[in-house]
Amino acid sequence: AQSVTQLGSHVSVSEGALVLLRCNYSSSVPPYLFWYVQYPNQGLQLLLKYTTGATLVKGINGFEAEFKKSETSFHLTKPSAHMSDAAEYFCAVSLSNAGGTSYGKLTFGQGTILTVHP
Amino acid sequence: DAGITQSPRHKVTETGTPVTLRCHQTENHRYMYWYRQDPGHGLRLIHYSYGVKDTDKGEVSDGYSVSRSKTEDFLLTLESATSSQTSVYFCAISDARTGYEQYFGPGTRLTVT
Repeated sequence: AQSVTQLGSHVSVSEGALVLLRCNYSSSVPPYLFWYVQYPNQGLQLLLKYTTGATLVKGINGFEAEFKKSETSFHLTKPSAHMSDAAEYFCAVSLSNAGGTSYGKLTFGQGTILTVHP
Repeated sequence: DAGITQSPRHKVTETGTPVTLRCHQTENHRYMYWYRQDPGHGLRLIHYSYGVKDTDKGEVSDGYSVSRSKTEDFLLTLESATSSQTSVYFCAISDARTGYEQYFGPGTRLTVT
C-alpha cells in the first residue's frame, strides 16, 4: 500500500518569493509521483510527474520537483511566485506496475492551499 | 483538454433518494475512476474500472455502486443518499498510451439535505 503526506495545509508567500510545497510518500514498490493543481471550482490539472529517469522534473508554469528516494520526498518548487499561482496543490503516488494490478490508481495527499500576497 | 464531461454539474437531493452521476469520455481511455473531494481529505477513490464491465472498489466504496456498459461511460450511483455523501465528485480517466496520467473532469457538486 502507498500513502502521501503533504506538510502544511496552508502555505503563504509573497509575490516573487520562492514557493516550496512539501510531499513525502511511502510505497512498497518504486513509485510514480505526480503534482496536480486545482483552481477554484475546477477539476485537477497535471503540473508534472516522475516515472523513471531524471530525478529533477520540470512542469508547467515554471514549477519543478525533485524525486529523492533516500528521503522519500517529492517537493514542489517555483523560484518566483506569481499571483496566478494561488490554488490548491495535490501530491499523488501511484505504483509503478501501473499496467498490472494497480490499474493506475492514485493515492492523494490532503492538499496544500497556496496563497500569494502582493 | 481531455474530453471528459460529468453530468449533472450540480445536484441537490434529499436523504434516502437514489442518485446517479454520469462520466462520459471521448478519449477511448481504458481506465476510469470516481473520486470524492472533501476538505482536509484530498481526493479519495470510490470505485474504478479497468475495462467494460470490469470494476472494483476503492478506499471509500460503502454506499456507492458503479457500472460501465461501454468504454465511454462510467456511472456512479448512490443507492440511498445520506448527508455524509455531500461532496464534490470527480471522474478521471487514464490509459497506458498516456503513461497512466489521470485526466480529470470538471466535477459534480452534490448536496444531500
